[in-house]
Amino acid sequence: SAVISQKPSRDICQRGTSLTIQCQVDSQVTMMFWYRQQPGQSLTLIATANQGSEATYESGFVIDKFPISRPNLTFSTLTVSNMSPEDSSIYLCSVPRGVDGTEAFFGQGTRLTVV
Amino acid sequence: KNQVEQSPQSLIILEGKNCTLQCNYTVSPFSNLRWYKQDTGRGPVSLTIMTFSENTKSNGRYTATLDADTKQSSLHITASQLSDSASYICVVSAGGSYIPTFGRGTSLIVHP
Repeated sequence: SAVISQKPSRDICQRGTSLTIQCQVDSQVTMMFWYRQQPGQSLTLIATANQGSEATYESGFVIDKFPISRPNLTFSTLTVSNMSPEDSSIYLCSVPRGVDGTEAFFGQGTRLTVV
Repeated sequence: KNQVEQSPQSLIILEGKNCTLQCNYTVSPFSNLRWYKQDTGRGPVSLTIMTFSENTKSNGRYTATLDADTKQSSLHITASQLSDSASYICVVSAGGSYIPTFGRGTSLIVHP
């Protein structure tokens, strides 16, 4: 199984500020995914981080709010910009694994609280 | 629209007891179904994977079942332990997609 290191594991931030979350994978992967998990809700895909091109965002998520970098095949960052209390969630990076690539393998998550 | 529904939303049981969690899905074309365990403050970890042809699969005290005709799955936990306290998420993958559909999870609390 892959090892995914995600940091910070948690943070408390002031509204209006930005937080960058880092995700490091121990092997090269073509696709990396960023998810948001709001309290009591299922995981929602924010975007697919593509190496060498812009991220592909899902409906309801925009680059200005959640800029993503993918400088190489083992690393990605997600920034939560101009935060509000509604952004308080767990943010997770994920890579596909398994024989057919359908197992979602997750980092430990970043628990963000915006005050 | 692909959907995964789980029940119950939360469950409290005593240590040593058994429990069963349910998952109904409408995902097409169906590829596989996984149950994940998510401990507080951690990312989800895969427990089992079920493909179309599999009816039952066990992983220690965890046994998953799949009825592809009725599009239902269950996760049975035997002789529960305090460490089983977690959220259990049903995740269904569609053929040809790397992006699965997630249920909201069942929050299980095991009391001593």
